[in-house]
Amino acid sequence: GAVVSQHPSRVICKSGTSVKIECRSLDFQATTMFWYRQFPKQSLMLMATSNEGSKATYEQGVEKDKFLINHASLTLSTLTVTSAHPEDSSFYICSAQGLGYYNEQFFGPGTRLTVL
Amino acid sequence: GNSVTQMEGPVTLSEEAFLTINCTYTATGYPSLFWYVQYPGEGLQLLLKATKADDKGSNKGFEATYRKETTSFHLEKGSVQVSDSAVYFCALSGNQAGTALIFGKGTTLSVSS
Repeated sequence: GAVVSQHPSRVICKSGTSVKIECRSLDFQATTMFWYRQFPKQSLMLMATSNEGSKATYEQGVEKDKFLINHASLTLSTLTVTSAHPEDSSFYICSAQGLGYYNEQFFGPGTRLTVL
Repeated sequence: GNSVTQMEGPVTLSEEAFLTINCTYTATGYPSLFWYVQYPGEGLQLLLKATKADDKGSNKGFEATYRKETTSFHLEKGSVQVSDSAVYFCALSGNQAGTALIFGKGTTLSVSS
């Protein structure tokens, strides 16, 4: 089956620093990747959609300069949280959609970010 | 726009009880419908899906039928187990590639022995 990995699974950083989260499709080519944010006991909120080789499309209210998304290859997308603040602490989940899988999305295991 | 509404939890059941989690949707066209499960501290796993009206998705004893006339996709299981304790999300997606999922708010299920 299609597998998506995320790294790191947990990260703790100081306020003002930047953190990069990687999302990889391990056994398929991901033409589209999605980044979601999940607050405790709440649903997933779509942050942005990225297509390989194109600029990401951000949802309304998501700061593109704060949450930098790069989708440089068909197997890797990165989310960089710049100048992180405690309110950025959250669970970040990526998903990938690829060739041959119709419109099904495969989710990574998530990254728990804690900003001190 | 498209949206998903699912029953609010938490749902607390005894082992072997019958489970129903209601999900209704609003969408233009003919979306695909999904149920995802999230165990504590983990990401989402696809539980089942249906891509057209009257389709029944099933997996691990769970079932859901795509009802276009009632715009519903209710999740059911005849006999729940403690290991089914998790958060369940109903979601829909347009049928074009590159379309993001729209999630319901999630329903927490707690099963006790």
